[in-house]
Amino acid sequence: EAGVTQSPTHLIKTRGQQATLRCSPISGHTSVYWYQQALGLGLQFLLWYDEGEERNRGNFPPRFSGRQFPNYSSELNVNALELEDSALYLCASSLYSGIDEKLFFGSGTQLSVL
Amino acid sequence: AQSVSQHNHHVILSEAASLELGCNYSYGGTVNLFWYVQYPGQHLQLLLKYFSGDPLVKGIKGFEAEFIKSKFSFNLRKPSVQWSDTAEYFCAPYSGTYKYIFGTGTRLKVLA
Repeated sequence: EAGVTQSPTHLIKTRGQQATLRCSPISGHTSVYWYQQALGLGLQFLLWYDEGEERNRGNFPPRFSGRQFPNYSSELNVNALELEDSALYLCASSLYSGIDEKLFFGSGTQLSVL
Repeated sequence: AQSVSQHNHHVILSEAASLELGCNYSYGGTVNLFWYVQYPGQHLQLLLKYFSGDPLVKGIKGFEAEFIKSKFSFNLRKPSVQWSDTAEYFCAPYSGTYKYIFGTGTRLKVLA
């Protein structure tokens, strides 16, 4: 069974550009979560999608946005990139079955903003 | 605001030493608590979890964690670490609002 897959592995952009990151959840999982892992800050919750809808978002500016497609894959868009957006972006998926929601993580997209 | 604190950012131990990593969270009510681990070059993966019942829970690879409700803590322990335990460990209390709030992580290095 394939795990959570993310693409691209690495992404280099310049300040002001837009970045698009992609995530494919494990087959059958309907929930997708996005986290930003910046050095020394742990995992900061970005967005949570379930059944195609945004369920909640973390404390990030509106230039961080995304969507979930009918096949449950997801896209994270970051507009007007800033230097501090450089980080590892992790996607996780789970079966939305209540509180017992073990997260399965992808290997992440390393975004570098120059 | 709901938050989680991991007190130790970097820990270095020799093999066979005992390990305890602290985790405190800021909110009350019903909590579900998780520890995740990220081994070098691997994905984050679940180490153990607590939902209810016995406050001492056991996970993979000999790890255990104790939930102390009065102290809002969920500390991770292992009696004798191995070199292969070198990894980054994240405490993640479940939040009904934000699902999982992860701590800043603790980087453990075990010296052979």
